[in-house]
Amino acid sequence: KQEVTQIPAALSVPEGENLVLNCSFTDSAIYNLQWFRQDPGKGLTSLLLIQSSQREQTSGRLNASLDKSSGRSTLYIAASQPGDSATYLCAVVGADGLTFGKGTHLIIQP
Amino acid sequence: EPEVTQTPSHQVTQMGQEVILRCVPISNHLYFYWYRQILGQKVEFLVSFYNNEISEKSEIFDDQFSVERPDGSNFTLKIRSTKLEDSAMYFCASNGQGTATDTQYFGPGTRLTVL
Repeated sequence: KQEVTQIPAALSVPEGENLVLNCSFTDSAIYNLQWFRQDPGKGLTSLLLIQSSQREQTSGRLNASLDKSSGRSTLYIAASQPGDSATYLCAVVGADGLTFGKGTHLIIQP
Repeated sequence: EPEVTQTPSHQVTQMGQEVILRCVPISNHLYFYWYRQILGQKVEFLVSFYNNEISEKSEIFDDQFSVERPDGSNFTLKIRSTKLEDSAMYFCASNGQGTATDTQYFGPGTRLTVL
């Protein structure tokens, strides 16, 4: 059974810093990997989707990488802003559907 | 931009009562999903639905749960006899192509509280 782990569980950094969120998964037989953002009491917003054949995807200040063979993905956020404060979820799509990590709770201090 | 909508945003019910959670997926999407997130826990897959039938379901989705697409726009999740442990956020999602490689778009969720 697929297990997804995200490290760190929480992170607090000053505004303007670049930061990296980590995701690891146990079964490398995945179709794709998605990063989501979840604001308190709200739904999930898809940020980036990386197909299993890709190594990275970029959207604005966000860059996600995927190393399928080692079961790892990172989400890089450049020049962080207070509006980036949220919980970031990693999810992999495999044979048993979408499996989520528990998330990294990110706080950007103004 | 099209979005998935869910109603109600918050539902409070007594244990043993039936609840129906409603979702309106994005109009041209073909695959529909329900997930739940117990407070402080991971988002968990419940069920996927395509062509008017369940395509996959998790072990959480037992006989107390059912899904339906009663018309061309709504997608519902029914819990027949709610338990305290059913308290959670329930998210509906949809995707256009219904393939494993397509992005799923999530609704804002319904917070279910069972007393």
